[in-house]
Amino acid sequence: AQSVSQHNHHVILSEAASLELGCNYSYGGTVNLFWYVQYPGQHLQLLLKYFSGDPLVKGIKGFEAEFIKSKFSFNLRKPSVQWSDTAEYFCAVKPNTGFQKLVFGTGTRLLVSP
Amino acid sequence: DTEVTQTPKHLVMGMTNKKSLKCEQHMGHRAMYWYKQKAKKPPELMFVYSYEKLSINESVPSRFSPECPNSSLLNLHLHALQPEDSALYLCASSQAGQANTEAFFGQGTRLTVV
Repeated sequence: AQSVSQHNHHVILSEAASLELGCNYSYGGTVNLFWYVQYPGQHLQLLLKYFSGDPLVKGIKGFEAEFIKSKFSFNLRKPSVQWSDTAEYFCAVKPNTGFQKLVFGTGTRLLVSP
Repeated sequence: DTEVTQTPKHLVMGMTNKKSLKCEQHMGHRAMYWYKQKAKKPPELMFVYSYEKLSINESVPSRFSPECPNSSLLNLHLHALQPEDSALYLCASSQAGQANTEAFFGQGTRLTVV
């Protein structure tokens, strides 16, 4: 079974600072990778996804992520955060074969101070 | 706005009550999911329906009973719940039979068991 770990549980940044959130997964086969965001009181929304091809993927709101297969990582980045980026961020993994369960990491709570 | 609609948004029930959570989507998705999310934790998969058939049950207690009456609707019947079952219950949907597809989430039902 796959597992996902997010090393940063809480991150506090000032506006305009750069962001990088770590995500590592454990699974022996081919996976599909996602970053979801949950703004306070709102539903989970997809930020970006990686299925195949270019390992650098761009998502909404200026976010991007890089898949590094050799490191089993899919880190999320944003060059300059805004106060409105305050939210919880979840990395998620779904394998290509077998039971195609979407499994979430533990989440990173980001607080951006104005 | 999410295209997955969940009702009710909030529910308070006693331990002897029977209630149901409802989820509806009109995106033509044939895979639907129930997740449970405790405070400050990631969503945990409970059930997966694929083409209206239960395909994954993550060893969920029988006091939770899912039902998929048609391709657009997903219910979760609740009976004799415990206070520790209090959580946010999330419904999601996606295309079925494909791993490289994103899941769309509803806003959830916040359940409190008293």
